[in-house]
Amino acid sequence: NAGVTQTPKFQVLKTGQSMTLQCAQDMNHNSMYWYRQDPGMGLRLIYYSASEGTTDKGEVPNGYNVSRLNKREFSLRLESAAPSQTSVYFCASSEYFSGGRTNEQFFGPGTRLTVL
Amino acid sequence: KQEVTQIPAALSVPEGENLVLNCSFTDSAIYNLQWFRQDPGKGLTSLLLIQSSQREQTSGRLNASLDKSSGRSTLYIAASQPGDSATYLCAVKGNAGKSTFGDGTTLTVKP
Repeated sequence: NAGVTQTPKFQVLKTGQSMTLQCAQDMNHNSMYWYRQDPGMGLRLIYYSASEGTTDKGEVPNGYNVSRLNKREFSLRLESAAPSQTSVYFCASSEYFSGGRTNEQFFGPGTRLTVL
Repeated sequence: KQEVTQIPAALSVPEGENLVLNCSFTDSAIYNLQWFRQDPGKGLTSLLLIQSSQREQTSGRLNASLDKSSGRSTLYIAASQPGDSATYLCAVKGNAGKSTFGDGTTLTVKP
């Protein structure tokens, strides 16, 4: 099992460019998440998908869009990148968003994005 | 709004020492609390998860406790090793399903 995988690992964009961050999990989890990690700000939730076919905003959704392509894949799109979106982006998954069993979150290795 | 604080921000200890990392949260209405380890430039690795109905969880040299009424969790590491050097994060999941993370404690274990 690869767990949670993310592509690309690194990316440099110019202001105004667009890109899509890809995430896939092979644990048959229902719920998937996108976080960003910034020094002094901790991890903050951008968007989540409680189950296939649903997506909802997290704490910092502005400037991002998401697609839950199927149960395995959850992508994050930056339509017009800004320097404030320079960050490390993590995808995570868990069996359920809330309720049921242990609900442990598993994280991918991250994408380091720089917007110039 | 839930706030999660981890003190100290950094800790340096000699190898072999037992140590405690602290995590405090402001809203006791939580679903679970999860401890993670993060190595530089890497993702988060899950260490222990404690459900709101539990008081502690153990895995090897690690023991995590939870006191909801006081809004505190501790991660106890026994017989620390240089390989334990990393940043340790706690995450509190509320009943709405969203997690709030602390900023972490960066641990250095000196040989």
